[in-house]
Amino acid sequence: DTEVTQTPKHLVMGMTNKKSLKCEQHMGHRAMYWYKQKAKKPPELMFVYSYEKLSINESVPSRFSPECPNSSLLNLHLHALQPEDSALYLCASSQDLRGYEQYFGPGTRLTVT
Amino acid sequence: DQQVKQNSPSLSVQEGRISILNCDYTNSMFDYFLWYKKYPAEGPTFLISISSIKDKNEDGRFTVFLNKSAKHLSLHIVPSQPGDSAVYFCAASYVRNSNSGYALNFGKGTSLLVTP
Repeated sequence: DTEVTQTPKHLVMGMTNKKSLKCEQHMGHRAMYWYKQKAKKPPELMFVYSYEKLSINESVPSRFSPECPNSSLLNLHLHALQPEDSALYLCASSQDLRGYEQYFGPGTRLTVT
Repeated sequence: DQQVKQNSPSLSVQEGRISILNCDYTNSMFDYFLWYKKYPAEGPTFLISISSIKDKNEDGRFTVFLNKSAKHLSLHIVPSQPGDSAVYFCAASYVRNSNSGYALNFGKGTSLLVTP
């Protein structure tokens, strides 16, 4: 099973809402990632978790709050977002931080109104 | 600053012919390179990779070539099929520190269209 699942597929939220994005993998991978992709741009790294600990935060604003409850799950909590945060949010996993190949989920298309 | 560059936004190739997608990079510390394929409304799918100690890696119809001196890599698809029509992203990585692992730097992608 090489699948990374993400829910929801689409999310529309107002600037005062609080919502969460979820990501799950059952490949036994110990590194998980959040990327943000704007239209016609490449994915940009946001956060890296290794063995459920945050190892990289690419200077992401605090209105994005990641959480890794266990080795299979990765959440991204959203609060007080701006319209420019509208994007495709991709989750990925790799065997561990030494694993080159990252496997991506289908993404959550987020629209902030 | 874009460290991985794909200068061709799009490419159109006839079915059965060779597709060549190009990628250039600027950071000499990159030591692992990957190609991802992305269909609309789906996440990127890993296609093929190459370590900096090699100059060629082949997997079925897909071959990646690496020219370290030129900081250039290319993906060859032979023969091209209509199902190969997708956006192809080149990505490169290196270990920044023991906590960072192989965070990927992506190019902007090349949209490949294979026509029957």
